[in-house]
Amino acid sequence: AQTVTQSQPEMSVQEAETVTLSCTYDTSESDYYLFWYKQPPSRQMILVIRQEAYKQQNATENRFSVNFQKAAKSFSLKISDSQLGDAAMYFCAYRIYNQGGKLIFGQGTELSVKP
Amino acid sequence: ETGVTQTPRHLVMGMTNKKSLKCEQHLGHNAMYWYKQSAKKPLELMFVYNFKEQTENNSVPSRFSPECPNSSHLFLHLHTLQPEDSALYLCASSQVTSSTDTQYFGPGTRLTVL
Repeated sequence: AQTVTQSQPEMSVQEAETVTLSCTYDTSESDYYLFWYKQPPSRQMILVIRQEAYKQQNATENRFSVNFQKAAKSFSLKISDSQLGDAAMYFCAYRIYNQGGKLIFGQGTELSVKP
Repeated sequence: ETGVTQTPRHLVMGMTNKKSLKCEQHLGHNAMYWYKQSAKKPLELMFVYNFKEQTENNSVPSRFSPECPNSSHLFLHLHTLQPEDSALYLCASSQVTSSTDTQYFGPGTRLTVL
């Protein structure tokens, strides 16, 4: 069975600094997608970044980037130049390629940003 | 904020009540989902509808009954719930024929069962 593990329930970062959130997953599949979602307090969950497993290049979206290590089944999220608006719950999620709908989520990491 | 809306945003109900949660997506997607988000637990997928057909029921108790009348609307009918059913219920939609099939979430309904 596929599982997603986020080992850091809480993280804290100073404004303008860099923070890395960790995520590991377990699967026997070779083709899949990985996602990071952000859920601000009392606000909607939004997609931060997406990675296709067949791509070796790490995905990047502005201040957000991932370190995808397929062999190690690791998918960490790096947030550079942290801003107060980055404070939120961050969820790592996994989906098998061509199996629409079956998103498997980790437990989440609550990120706080200190001014 | 996104094209997925949910009503009501908050709901308090007794164990003998019957209520319904509504979700509407304005993104032209063909798949819709219900998730349950409990404190300190990962999001749990409850139901999946592709092209109005239910394709996934993740061992959800029968006191939760989904309905998808068309590809834009999704309901979750609730009856004789238990206090442990209190949670945030999230709706999501996606375009399953696209190469990435990214899911877009609504704001959720915060349900409290007394």
